Amino acid sequence: KQEVTQIPAALSVPEGENLVLNCSFTDSAIYNLQWFRQDPGKGLTSLLLIQSSQREQTSGRLNASLDKSSGRSTLYIAASQPGDSATYLCAVDTGNQFYFGTGTSLTVIP
Amino acid sequence: EAQVTQNPRYLITVTGKKLTVTCSQNMNHEYMSWYRQDPGLGLRQIYYSMNVEVTDKGDVPEGYKVSRKEKRNFPLILESPSPNQTSLYFCASSLAGQGSSYEQYFGPGTRLTVT
Repeated sequence: KQEVTQIPAALSVPEGENLVLNCSFTDSAIYNLQWFRQDPGKGLTSLLLIQSSQREQTSGRLNASLDKSSGRSTLYIAASQPGDSATYLCAVDTGNQFYFGTGTSLTVIP
Repeated sequence: EAQVTQNPRYLITVTGKKLTVTCSQNMNHEYMSWYRQDPGLGLRQIYYSMNVEVTDKGDVPEGYKVSRKEKRNFPLILESPSPNQTSLYFCASSLAGQGSSYEQYFGPGTRLTVT
């Protein structure tokens, strides 16, 4: 069974810092990996989706990479802002099911 | 506005009293899914539907039922809720499901407490 892990569980950084969030998965047989943002009281918002054949995807200040063979993905956030404070989740699609990590809670301090 | 809506947003009920959480999407998506989110466990898939009248079990289907009679609606039914079903529930939809590489769109969540 696929297991998805996100470390650290919580992260606090000063505004303006560049940061990296990590996601690892145990089975490399995936179709894609998706990064989400979750704000309190709200649902999940999709940030980036990387297909298994891709190495990275970029959207604005966000860049996600995928190394399928090693079972790892990273989400890079450039020049962090207080508005980036949220919980970030990764999810892998195995073709049969979606598996989510438990998330990294990010706080950006003004 | 493209969205997934869930009702109710908050619900407190007692053990054994049947309840339904509704989910509706206005994006003409084929695929819909229900998840529950619990501290330390992340989101786990309960049931999903690839199309009208087609539903399948996810990772944790015990104690839940679903139906997909119309493309836009995918209600989650708890016939006899128990305290271990206290959780935050999310509905999601997508153009297509697992293996398709389409993004999932999530509803705002329903916080259910069973006493």
